[in-house]
Amino acid sequence: AQRVTQPEKLLSVFKGAPVELKCNYSYSGSPELFWYVQYSRQRLQLLLRHISRESIKGFTADLNKGETSFHLKKPFAQEEDSAMYYCALSGFNFNKFYFGSGTKLNVKP
Amino acid sequence: EAQVTQNPRYLITVTGKKLTVTCSQNMNHEYMSWYRQDPGLGLRQIYYSMNVEVTDKGDVPEGYKVSRKEKRNFPLILESPSPNQTSLYFCASGLRGGELFFGEGSRLTVL
Repeated sequence: AQRVTQPEKLLSVFKGAPVELKCNYSYSGSPELFWYVQYSRQRLQLLLRHISRESIKGFTADLNKGETSFHLKKPFAQEEDSAMYYCALSGFNFNKFYFGSGTKLNVKP
Repeated sequence: EAQVTQNPRYLITVTGKKLTVTCSQNMNHEYMSWYRQDPGLGLRQIYYSMNVEVTDKGDVPEGYKVSRKEKRNFPLILESPSPNQTSLYFCASGLRGGELFFGEGSRLTVL
């Protein structure tokens, strides 16, 4: 079965500390992985996607097929990074999407 | 402004009373989809549409219908709502490559 697991419901870090939001997946095929973010009072929006291999707002994510993980990392967290983060998975044709349950990141001053 | 618009944003209804949640996008996207969000479960896909007149089931389609007669509109229909369909619903449209653009959400309560 296709599944995306985000084990942490809440992650609290201090400003300037490194942050890692965990994402593990189960998929029978070659997945496309994404991170979506929802800031307070804003819509859910794409943060980054594996196929682009880009860094957005200082965040990066590496697809580890051996460990079936796609953890989101940032070396120095900022207060404006506080938000709800969702890991998502799709197949190569981008029709069906599977989302994790989300991790709330709280960056303390 | 490029966006996805859902209506209504909030609705309280009773069991069995048919309702439709509309979704419209002005970005000329071929792909549209519906999700429900429940506590602890994240977003689960209900239906998706790859283009006009092309729709297919997502992970949790039971109790829902959709139609795609025009590119810009993708309404979600609950023919006979039940309390277990109380949820927060999101519509999204997107491009090939997986970037989804989400609506603001519609909070539905079925009594």
